[in-house]
Amino acid sequence: EIVLTQSPTTMAASPGEKVTITCRASSSVSYMYWYQQKSGASPKPWIYETSKLASGVPDRFSGSGSGTSYSFTISSMETEDAATYYCHQWSSTPWTFGGGTKLELK
Amino acid sequence: QVTLKESGPGILQPSQTLSLTCTFSGFSLSTYGMGVGWIRQPSGKGLEWLANIWWDDDKYYNPSLKNRLTISKDTSNNQAFLKITNVDTADTATYYCARLHTTGIPFDYWGQGVMVTVSS
Repeated sequence: EIVLTQSPTTMAASPGEKVTITCRASSSVSYMYWYQQKSGASPKPWIYETSKLASGVPDRFSGSGSGTSYSFTISSMETEDAATYYCHQWSSTPWTFGGGTKLELK
Repeated sequence: QVTLKESGPGILQPSQTLSLTCTFSGFSLSTYGMGVGWIRQPSGKGLEWLANIWWDDDKYYNPSLKNRLTISKDTSNNQAFLKITNVDTADTATYYCARLHTTGIPFDYWGQGVMVTVSS
């Protein structure tokens, strides 16, 4: 099983601040996927195939990485970005998710 | 417009079998490349993939749940099902179904989730 380790697990950012979340895989994966989940809501696809933005996602979001190391970046934090973000791999079964990063507004 | 909605018993007792239904619209599980997956989330915790079924009836299960899972589909009625046998309190969670297809974004549409509590 490929274990995905996200860091940090929680963080707070001020409006306008740059945010970076990392996701490390225990084995190499082809791509990384990211989901946003707000409290009480279902997850939403956010970034797919490592760096492509899902429909409607603002371009202040970006993703990068390869192999076992991936990152998720918000260039300038906005209020609406407060949420939990999960990385996900489906390169091999069992498909796995990272433990999540809770991003709060400072 | 793609929608999915989960339904389930709400509460059940340890050792019982959990039966979940995902009723969807806006796509067909008979279409090449389409699939439905099940994911669960205990309250305040992360996401766990459970199983998925593809248009060609190919099925995949999370081995962490060993042989407790059975996934199936009813293409005519646009439904997918998940059964979990011998539940215990650790199976208490919100259960989601989500659409899959073989290219692009996995789990691109999600249901609202159904909360299941296992309690004696």
